[in-house]
Amino acid sequence: DIVMTQSPQSLAVSLGERATINCKSSQSVLYTANNNNYLAWFQQKPGQPPKLLIYWASIRESGVSDRFSGSGSETDFTLTINSLQAEDVAVYYCLQYSRSPHTFGQGTKLEIK
Amino acid sequence: EVQLVESGGGLVQPGGSLRLSCAGSGFTLSNYWVHWVRQAPGKGLVWISRMNQDGGIISYVDSVKGRFTISRDNAKNKIYLQMNSLTDDDTAVYYCAVAASGWWGWGQGTLVTVSS
Repeated sequence: DIVMTQSPQSLAVSLGERATINCKSSQSVLYTANNNNYLAWFQQKPGQPPKLLIYWASIRESGVSDRFSGSGSETDFTLTINSLQAEDVAVYYCLQYSRSPHTFGQGTKLEIK
Repeated sequence: EVQLVESGGGLVQPGGSLRLSCAGSGFTLSNYWVHWVRQAPGKGLVWISRMNQDGGIISYVDSVKGRFTISRDNAKNKIYLQMNSLTDDDTAVYYCAVAASGWWGWGQGTLVTVSS
């Protein structure tokens, strides 16, 4: 199984500053036939389902603020949140959907400093 | 707009069974892979099963293999998860999800509690 390791597990950032969350996969999630990385990022707030932010590692979901961006390839990925706002407080998960079983990272809890 | 609504959750005794349903609207289910994901109280997300558009590809995480069965009815725009031999470790919120071309849509979740 592909193991997804997120870091840090928790993060406190000041309002207006940048937050960076990393996700490392134990195997490449890049499918060379279409050059897509099968990696998504989700935001989850308490009592709510996950919300898709980024797919194919760097494609922002429609309606998601452009303060959110995804980057990386093969085994190393980053979610960056610029100009942190209070509404960004949540747990963030990466997901690889390259191979079965699909696997999530353990989550990163983002708080305001 | 894609909408998914789960139902069928509740309290069940260890060793019991439950069937979850997920009704989709605003889209054509037959164009999407379908998935089930669960989240135990205070824990992270765990993917548990998937099925492709025509049902020809089915996968499960090891912890539910042989106990859970995913199915779909494209004509009714519905997804199902039959859960048998339930244990305390199966207590969680269960989410259905659909995916296509990298995009993922989620339901609101239904709570399953396994307890005597």
